[in-house]
Amino acid sequence: DIQMTQSPSSLSASVGDRVTITCQASQDISNYLNWYQQKPGKAPKLLIYDASNLETGVPSRFSGSGSGTDFTFTISSLQPEDIATYYCQQYDNLPPTLTFGGGTKVEIK
Amino acid sequence: QVTLKESGPVLVKPTETLTLTCTVSGFSLSNARMGVSWIRQPPGKALEWLAHIFSNDEKSYSTSLKSRLTISKDTSKSQVVLTMTNMDPVDTATYYCARISSGYDLRFDYWGQGTLVTVSS
Repeated sequence: DIQMTQSPSSLSASVGDRVTITCQASQDISNYLNWYQQKPGKAPKLLIYDASNLETGVPSRFSGSGSGTDFTFTISSLQPEDIATYYCQQYDNLPPTLTFGGGTKVEIK
Repeated sequence: QVTLKESGPVLVKPTETLTLTCTVSGFSLSNARMGVSWIRQPPGKALEWLAHIFSNDEKSYSTSLKSRLTISKDTSKSQVVLTMTNMDPVDTATYYCARISSGYDLRFDYWGQGTLVTVSS
């Protein structure tokens, strides 16, 4: 099974800061990588799909990049409403399986 | 409006079998490229994918839990059912169902609210 290593596990930043989260796959996954935001007590929400595509309705301060084994998720200017835990998720087609990263909790400094 | 809603017991005893139902609306389980997954999250921990069923009835399971899981669907009732056998306290978690509308591009665009299942004697 493909393992996803997400870092850091938590971070604290100020409003307006640029925030970066990384996810590393244990093998080449092309661009089969999605990012989710989960606020406390809520279900996750899809933000970025296929490494760099912004889901409809998601603010443009969220972005993603990468391919192969190394991926980056960025919040260009952290807002108070961005306080949440963020997860990467890889998928494979043959067979169709998927794995989540361990999550990154983002807090306001 | 697309919605998914999980239902099932809130408390199960160790060794029992858990049966969860996901009732969907706003789309059909028979539509091409549609599918539903079950995902769980132990309190304070990360998400863990469990199983998936596609519109053509193809199924896939987490390697680590495959022996304990069965997923099925009833298209006429708009329901997806997950059974997990031999429940243990470590299986205590919020269980979510989520929709995939992109075929084998496994990304979840809609989620249920989740249902907390506690395993305890």
